Amino acid sequence: ETGVTQSPTHLIKTRGQQVTLRCSSQSGHNTVSWYQQALGQGPQFIFQYYREEENGRGNFPPRFSGLQFPNYSSELNVNALELDDSALYLCASSVGEGSKETQYFGPGTRLLVL
Amino acid sequence: GDSVTQMEGPVTLSEEAFLTINCTYTATGYPSLFWYVQYPGEGLQLLLKATKADDKGSNKGFEATYRKETTSFHLEKGSVQVSDSAVYFCALSGSSGTYKYIFGTGTRLKVLA
Repeated sequence: ETGVTQSPTHLIKTRGQQVTLRCSSQSGHNTVSWYQQALGQGPQFIFQYYREEENGRGNFPPRFSGLQFPNYSSELNVNALELDDSALYLCASSVGEGSKETQYFGPGTRLLVL
Repeated sequence: GDSVTQMEGPVTLSEEAFLTINCTYTATGYPSLFWYVQYPGEGLQLLLKATKADDKGSNKGFEATYRKETTSFHLEKGSVQVSDSAVYFCALSGSSGTYKYIFGTGTRLKVLA
């Protein structure tokens, strides 16, 4: 039990639609990171937010965007869904901006794009 | 760029066998190293970590030593149980000031009774 929750657990969308995934971090964790895990692969870094501002981004297009709120919750938004966006989306929270801080992962949201 | 390479699975062992899952990394700077475990249908759970060379991380009978000279962080357990069946991910963070985790592709472990 990491104290990080995500909703919904599963989601089915069609190509071209938009989706919003939500994450609630541990209290006091002011950094949240989002990852995409395709089937059979390791998680890939999408972006990170620290104190409500984007703190870095992986190799994902601008249609992947995020928000972080003062109450330790955050959102991942994906526009114009593509079939390849089907994956498990994981959020992870940590304390501070330190790059070596341990990240605690939520259970993930499994997105299927048809 | 930075990367993590893990041995390919699946690894199938009998209960009480010795486990080694190899992990090597490429990084500039001095990363922290992690092992995460993922049970079916679940997210990632931190298993152990090491933040500097020669550190040994340990938890639940698992251990791994940060070897800078061989750029390795192999996971070991002396006696595996059926309940250890899962996918294990090696990851690094903090190389050259980066803040993201870089994961390996994962190694599936299956322990037979």
